[in-house]
Amino acid sequence: AQSVSQHNHHVILSEAASLELGCNYSYGGTVNLFWYVQYPGQHLQLLLKYFSGDPLVKGIKGFEAEFIKSKFSFNLRKPSVQWSDTAEYFCAVNRDDYKLSFGAGTTVTVRA
Amino acid sequence: DTGVSQNPRHKITKRGQNVTFRCDPISEHNRLYWYRQTLGQGPEFLTYFQNEAQLEKSRLLSDRFSAERPKGSFSTLEIQRTEQGDSAMYLCASTKTGWGPMNTEAFFGQGTRLTVV
Repeated sequence: AQSVSQHNHHVILSEAASLELGCNYSYGGTVNLFWYVQYPGQHLQLLLKYFSGDPLVKGIKGFEAEFIKSKFSFNLRKPSVQWSDTAEYFCAVNRDDYKLSFGAGTTVTVRA
Repeated sequence: DTGVSQNPRHKITKRGQNVTFRCDPISEHNRLYWYRQTLGQGPEFLTYFQNEAQLEKSRLLSDRFSAERPKGSFSTLEIQRTEQGDSAMYLCASTKTGWGPMNTEAFFGQGTRLTVV
C-alpha cells in the first residue's frame, strides 16, 4: 500500500520567512505527485502537480516543489511567505488511475 | 462558484441513526470520489464512480456504508446505524478522467462534517 509521509505536523513562521514542507512516499514505480492547500473553511485547492519532465515544478501563489526520485521526495517550498499562506498543506500521491493518497497534512501558521 | 457542491455542510446525529450526504460534481466530470478525513489526518479514499458505475471500494467502507450515483450525475453516501467512530469530514471530488496527466482539472467539495453523539 502507498504511504505518504509529511514530516512536520505544525509549522509556525513569520512573514517573509522561507517555507519548506517535506513529503516522502513509499512507493516504487511511476507516480503522480500533488500538493493541495486548504484554507480555513474552504475546500482543498491544487497548488501544483508533477507528472513527468522537469522535476522542479512551479505552482500558484509563488509555490514550487522539487521531485527527487532517488529520495522518494516531493518537497514544497516558498521563498517568502505571507500571512495569507496560513493554511493546511497536503501532499498527495497517485499511482493508479483512480486513487489519490494523502499525507496527514502540515498546518502552517504565518505570524504577521 | 460552480464547483463541487456538498450537502449538508454539517450533520449532527445520534448513534444508531442513518444519515445521507449528497454530492453534486462538476457537470461534465465522469469520475466522482468520496473521501473521509478525520482530525489530524489527510483525506482517505472511500470509493469512486465512473459515471454511474461504482468501480472501487476501500476496506474503510464497511457494510454500513453505501454509495450511489444514479444516472451518473449527483452521488449520495449513506451511513446506516451510525457509530461515534463515523464522526469525520466526508469529502467529495470530481474529475473528467483520473488523477493522471490526461486529467486537466479536479475539484473537491467543502465536505460534510458528521458528528455522531
